[in-house]
Amino acid sequence: AQKITQTQPGMFVQEKEAVTLDCTYDTSDQSYGLFWYKQPSSGEMIFLIYQGSYDEQNATEGRYSLNFQKARKSANLVISASQLGDSAMYFCAMRGRPKDSNYQLIWGAGTKLIIKP
Amino acid sequence: DAGVIQSPRHEVTEMGQEVTLRCKPISGHDYLFWYRQTMMRGLELLIYFNNNVPIDDSGMPEDRFSAKMPNASFSTLKIQPSEPRDSAVYFCASSLGQYQETQYFGPGTRLLVL
Repeated sequence: AQKITQTQPGMFVQEKEAVTLDCTYDTSDQSYGLFWYKQPSSGEMIFLIYQGSYDEQNATEGRYSLNFQKARKSANLVISASQLGDSAMYFCAMRGRPKDSNYQLIWGAGTKLIIKP
Repeated sequence: DAGVIQSPRHEVTEMGQEVTLRCKPISGHDYLFWYRQTMMRGLELLIYFNNNVPIDDSGMPEDRFSAKMPNASFSTLKIQPSEPRDSAVYFCASSLGQYQETQYFGPGTRLLVL
């Protein structure tokens, strides 16, 4: 069965420090995609970053990078130089098995990140 | 470019009433998803459409829930009759297509059924 595990229900980090949010996944597929979304207290779900299973380089988007370790089946999100506005829930998601030419997302439980001033 | 648009943003209704949630996907996106988020169950996929056709509605909780997509730019999720346990945030998301599977979410509708 395909599964996403986020083992950190909550984290406190000092402002300006780097943050690593853990995500491990389980799949038998060779082709898959991994996503991170941010959900601030206002409620919207914001797409942050994507990593394809065949991408040789770790994905980066501004201060966000994805530490992709395929053999360990981990896809940790790294936020550099954290800011107060980074306080939010963060969800890891994986593209599931193809069905009818689409790929449903399988979601982790989320990690609540709080940045301390 | 406009993102996914949802209305209303907040809805308070009484048990037994009909509730209709609306969604306008990003123009050109072929896939539309309806999710429900609660503290207890997290984010659940209810149903998704491809080119206006429902593909998988296995996540729809029961017959009280129905969804339609009459055209490429509009979808509705209807709950009739509503119950207090339907209280949740309902998200609509859209994605470009088969190989562009990043889903972009609307702001959500916060539903409270009294």
